[in-house]
Amino acid sequence: GAVVSQHPSWVICKSGTSVKIECRSLDFQATTMFWYRQFPKQSLMLMATSNEGSKATYEQGVEKDKFLINHASLTLSTLTVTSAHPEDSSFYICSARAGEMNTEAFFGQGTRLTVV
Amino acid sequence: RKEVEQDPGPFNVPEGATVAFNCTYSNSASQSFFWYRQDCRKEPKLLMSVYSSGNEDGRFTAQLNRASQYISLLIRDSKLSDSATYLCVVNEHSGNQFYFGTGTSLTVIP
Repeated sequence: GAVVSQHPSWVICKSGTSVKIECRSLDFQATTMFWYRQFPKQSLMLMATSNEGSKATYEQGVEKDKFLINHASLTLSTLTVTSAHPEDSSFYICSARAGEMNTEAFFGQGTRLTVV
Repeated sequence: RKEVEQDPGPFNVPEGATVAFNCTYSNSASQSFFWYRQDCRKEPKLLMSVYSSGNEDGRFTAQLNRASQYISLLIRDSKLSDSATYLCVVNEHSGNQFYFGTGTSLTVIP
């Protein structure tokens, strides 16, 4: 299957700092990537849909100024958690679709963020 | 109302048992359906797509009921390695978004 690489795998940062997470599609071009957040024992919650060359579409309740998404190329999307707080500590996962509609999404390995 | 709803379980079954999971979705215009498997602290991985006619892959059978807006996953002859969380995923083409159920936790006991 297609490969999506996410970096870093885990990060610890201080409150108030910003953290950037990268999501790369290694062997295909992804016009659309998705960012999810998962708290312990809960399901993945879609945060935003990232479209190459345009603004991301955020889900209701997700602050676009806090979670900055940039999809500058067909193989790279970044999520920046700005002014991180302890409650932002979570597992962040990106995914990308390798083809047209009806095809599955492939996921990055996830980033475990801990804000102290 | 959530887009996708699943019974979170947990389901604890003995090896060799047959277990079934159901998932309901709210948007009748949903087009694509999938079952993903997620192991603890790992990313979800596709288990199988769900087609209108139903489909089978070894011990796993997936079915879709559009009229009642639910999909199901049947696992036969459960193995210890089947222990994981199974996520029901619905793709709404209008928004090009994937929505996940809460996941159903399965533990297969020796």
